[in-house]
Amino acid sequence: QLQLQESGPGLVKPSETLSLTCTVSGGSISSSSYYWDWIRQSPGKGLQWIGNIYYTGTTYYNPSLRSRVTIFKDTSKNQFSLKLSSVTAADTAVYYCARQEYRNSPFDSWGQGTLVTVSS
Amino acid sequence: DIQMTQSPSSLSASVGDRVTITCRASQSISTYLHWYQHKPGKAPKLLIYAASSLQNGVPSRFSGSGSGTDFTLTISSLQPEDFATYYCQQNYDTSITFGQGTRLEIK
Repeated sequence: QLQLQESGPGLVKPSETLSLTCTVSGGSISSSSYYWDWIRQSPGKGLQWIGNIYYTGTTYYNPSLRSRVTIFKDTSKNQFSLKLSSVTAADTAVYYCARQEYRNSPFDSWGQGTLVTVSS
Repeated sequence: DIQMTQSPSSLSASVGDRVTITCRASQSISTYLHWYQHKPGKAPKLLIYAASSLQNGVPSRFSGSGSGTDFTLTISSLQPEDFATYYCQQNYDTSITFGQGTRLEIK
């Protein structure tokens, strides 16, 4: 059974870069057709899609975050990662990694989520 | 971006009630519309995909319908475990968007 697990610092200072990694087990991130996504939920707000990476390495980003986001993968470790630069308090959120089987598929597997707080 | 608007934003209902949540897209998205249930401290759970297909393991009291711009999620008989926040999500466009959520509370 596919499992996803987020990891990374729970506290990041304003203006610095947030870095998270999603470790995938029970499946390969190199399997054809899969998209690997990052989604977040700020306190008291709804879900926001951040971006994804296709198994080929092609990336797609939320236009509102595109200038600050990088998603990349490490096939040898079966991981994909998120970097969000120049963070502010508005980037405080629970960050989830998730998977789509095809571009138009839903998010059918999710990590448990990890809280990242931006504060000095 | 395609904007997704859910209504109502919150809803109070009783166990056994029939509940309908609506999601409207700012442009046609065919049936590339999915519904999730989200409880505090948990990952969102996929309920309905492609507007009307029930995800494996999800109780049959959940159903979805619609196409184009207007979609509904119906819970035929509310159970205590159904009180949560529900989100619609589109991926017709490469820029994926969610509705703002509908919080379903116990009356």
